[in-house]
Amino acid sequence: NAGVMQNPRHLVRRRGQEARLRCSPMKGHSHVYWYRQLPEEGLKFMVYLQKENIIDESGMPKERFSAEFPKEGPSILRIQQVVRGDSAAYFCASSAKPRTADLRGYTFGSGTRLTVV
Amino acid sequence: KQEVTQIPAALSVPEGENLVLNCSFTDSAIYNLQWFRQDPGKGLTSLLLIQSSQREQTSGRLNASLDKSSGRSTLYIAASQPGDSATYLCAPIQTGANNLFFGTGTRLTVIP
Repeated sequence: NAGVMQNPRHLVRRRGQEARLRCSPMKGHSHVYWYRQLPEEGLKFMVYLQKENIIDESGMPKERFSAEFPKEGPSILRIQQVVRGDSAAYFCASSAKPRTADLRGYTFGSGTRLTVV
Repeated sequence: KQEVTQIPAALSVPEGENLVLNCSFTDSAIYNLQWFRQDPGKGLTSLLLIQSSQREQTSGRLNASLDKSSGRSTLYIAASQPGDSATYLCAPIQTGANNLFFGTGTRLTVIP
């Protein structure tokens, strides 16, 4: 079991470019969560998705950010027209059931570190 | 909204010492609580998950307790080793919420 796979591990973008971050959940997990960790801050929830559905996007900025989890393929977090303040580590987690009602809890990926120059 | 506080923010101990990390949360309506460690520049590794009906959970040298009514959890690390150096995060899994709430963690350094 390869666990939660995120790529790329590091991403450098110039201001105004688009960033696409990918997350493949653990096998058998159909619930995906994205978190952002700004430098010297705790992880903050962004969005929760199930296959083909956004369930909760209450933590995601209203502009420039979008997420999807298609029927086939990984979940994608897209940031358009990146700015320096978007520089952060973006983590994806997956679970087999919503709200981790099972014993295994959330499993996190290793993250994508976005640097905007 | 759930608020999570972890004390101390940083801790430095000599190798071999037993230590306790504290976590408090404001909303006691939780399903479970999960403890993670995060190594510098790395992702989160799950350490222990305590169900809301449990009072403690053990894995090797780690023991986590949960007092749901008072909104507290502690992580006890026995016989600390330099490899334990990392940031430790607790995250309550809240009833009715879709996400984990994190504090800023406790940064532990174990000195050889």
